[in-house]
Formats: sequence, structure tokens, C-alpha cells
Amino acid sequence: EAGVAQSPRYKIIEKRQSVAFWCNPISGHATLYWYQQILGQGPKLLIQFQNNGVVDDSQLPKDRFSAERLKGVDSTLKIQPAKLEDSAVYLCASTLDRGGTEAFFGQGTRLTVV
Amino acid sequence: GQNIDQPTEMTATEGAIVQINCTYQTSGFNGLFWYQQHAGEAPTFLSYNVLDGLEEKGRFSSFLSRSKGYSYLLLKELQMKDSASYLCAERGAGSYQLTFGKGTKLSVIP
Repeated sequence: EAGVAQSPRYKIIEKRQSVAFWCNPISGHATLYWYQQILGQGPKLLIQFQNNGVVDDSQLPKDRFSAERLKGVDSTLKIQPAKLEDSAVYLCASTLDRGGTEAFFGQGTRLTVV
Repeated sequence: GQNIDQPTEMTATEGAIVQINCTYQTSGFNGLFWYQQHAGEAPTFLSYNVLDGLEEKGRFSSFLSRSKGYSYLLLKELQMKDSASYLCAERGAGSYQLTFGKGTKLSVIP
């Protein structure tokens, strides 16, 4: 079974530039999560999708972050414009459904904003 | 939201046993998870507790006390490859979202 795929693995951009991350969850997984993990901290949930609908985006900084999952499969997270404090690893995870006990994580995208 | 508290760092000797503690707020509880994360890699699932008691899985065991808002991860027969961060995460009722602690960095030394 293929795991959660994310790209790119690494990205370096200057502040005020824009960047996009892509995630393809495990086939058949209805629930998709985007997490932000700053160095030395645990992952922090940014947004949760159930199929192509948003379940919770209360911790997403909507003035600069956006995410979509148009067909209920893969998803894109965008930052525009980026700030220095956005430097982090962006992790995508999926579960079979909202009550799924095991979340599978992708390798993440390490973003450095300079 | 839930406040998850776990030690920042721990060191233990190869072959020994180590216990990593985690406390959380009990309101809206719907399960306690432990994940392992090696440096530069994705978190991987270790265990899930929703009822009180001990769940054993090979060298790893996880314990939960819902009334005390307390869990621990027990690692036996430590190996060098167990050096990693261990993340405690609480799942909230209704939302099913995971809220992670900051993680405990475990260093296993010879």
C-alpha cells in the first residue's frame, strides 16, 4: 500500500514570496490533515478535510494560508505571502475516516523562509 | 483546546527500560495516541488508548488513566534505534482532531 505522498521535500523562499505544497493521501482515505511543525515542537493542526469539505480550519492563518481539496483526493496548501515565522515542516496526514485510529503521515515539506 | 505536557528530553541506557509520561486535560477526551518521530522523518503511529489500563505491543506498552488525565509510554530492552522524539497526542471528542504535545526527545546511550 502506497503511503502519503508529499512534494516538494524541501523549499527555500524569500519572505513575501508565495509557495505551494502538495499532498496525495492513502487511497480511499476520506480525512486529510495539514499540520505545521516548528523545530522542537509537536505538530499543530492547520486544517482538516473530510472528502472535499473543510471540517476545521480554525487554526489556519487565513490572511496568508489557503488550502483546497477539490476532488476529495489530493490537496494543496498555499502560503502567500510567506513570513520568516512560517519556516517549519508542513506535514500531511490521512485517516480512513474521521474516527480512524491511526493517522498516516507523509514525509513532510521542510520550508525555509529567508 | 487541550494542554499536553510531557518532558522535553530523557536519556537512557541501551537494554534498560524507560517511561515517558504525558498529562492532558480531561474535558472532551476521545483517545490518547503515541507517535515516534526520528529526526527529519514523519511521525509513525505507536499506540492508541481509549480505555483505562495497559496496552502492550512488543517492547512498547502504553498506559492510560482517564480520571487522572495521565498516560505513559514504556519502552523495554532499549535499542540505539529507539533514539527519537516521542509525541503524545490527545484526540478531541466530536472533531476527532489530534492535539500533540511538544514531544520528548529520547537519547539512548551505550
